[in-house]
Amino acid sequence: AQTVTQSQPEMSVQEAETVTLSCTYDTSESDYYLFWYKQPPSRQMILVIRQEAYKQQNATENRFSVNFQKAAKSFSLKISDSQLGDAAMYFCALEDQGAQKLVFGQGTRLTINP
Amino acid sequence: DVKVTQSSRYLVKRTGEKVFLECVQDMDHENMFWYRQDPGLGLRLIYFSYDVKMKEKGDIPEGYSVSREKKERFSLILESASTNQTSMYLCASSLLGVPGTEAFFGQGTRLTVV
Repeated sequence: AQTVTQSQPEMSVQEAETVTLSCTYDTSESDYYLFWYKQPPSRQMILVIRQEAYKQQNATENRFSVNFQKAAKSFSLKISDSQLGDAAMYFCALEDQGAQKLVFGQGTRLTINP
Repeated sequence: DVKVTQSSRYLVKRTGEKVFLECVQDMDHENMFWYRQDPGLGLRLIYFSYDVKMKEKGDIPEGYSVSREKKERFSLILESASTNQTSMYLCASSLLGVPGTEAFFGQGTRLTVV
C-alpha cells in the first residue's frame, strides 16, 4: 500500500524568511508523481508544485521548490521569501498511477508571522 | 475559469437521515473523487469514478455510496447519517489517462451530524 507521512502538524515562519515542509512516502512503483497542494483558510485546494519520480531535477515554481530524494523517499517543499498569502494547510500527495487517485499526507498548517 | 462546485458549504443533518452531497465540474473531466478531510488524518478517499455509471471504492467506503448519472455530476450519499460522519467532504476531478495531471477541488462541504 502507498503511504504519505507529514510529521510536522504545524509550522510557522517570519514573513520574508524561508521555510521547509517535510514529507516522506512509500510506494513500490518505479515511476510516480508527487504533489504539494495548498488549502488556504476557507478556500479551495490548489496545486502548488508537482514532481515526476523519473526526473532527477527538482521542480521549481517561482518561490516554491522541492527537494526530491528518491532513494530516501523524501519530498520536501521549500518556500522562499514567505508571504502572508502563503498561510495555509499544505498537503503532500502521491499519485497512484493505475487509478490516478491521490494518497495524501496528514497536512502541515503553515502560519506566517508579520 | 475552471470550476468544481459543491452544492452546499455547510450542512447540519440528524442521525439516521439520508444525506446527498452534490458535486458538479465544468471541465469535461472523466475522473471524479470524493474525499473526507479530518484533522490529523489528511484526506482519505471514499469513492471515485472514471466514467458515467462507473464507481470504485476508495479507502473508507463504509457507510457511503455514490452516483454518477452524468459526466459532470458526482453525488455522495450517506444512507443513514451517523455522528462519526461529521467531517469536511471534498470533491475533486481530473483528466483520465494523463499521469501527473492536476486535480481540481471543490470548496468543500462541512457536514455536521447531530
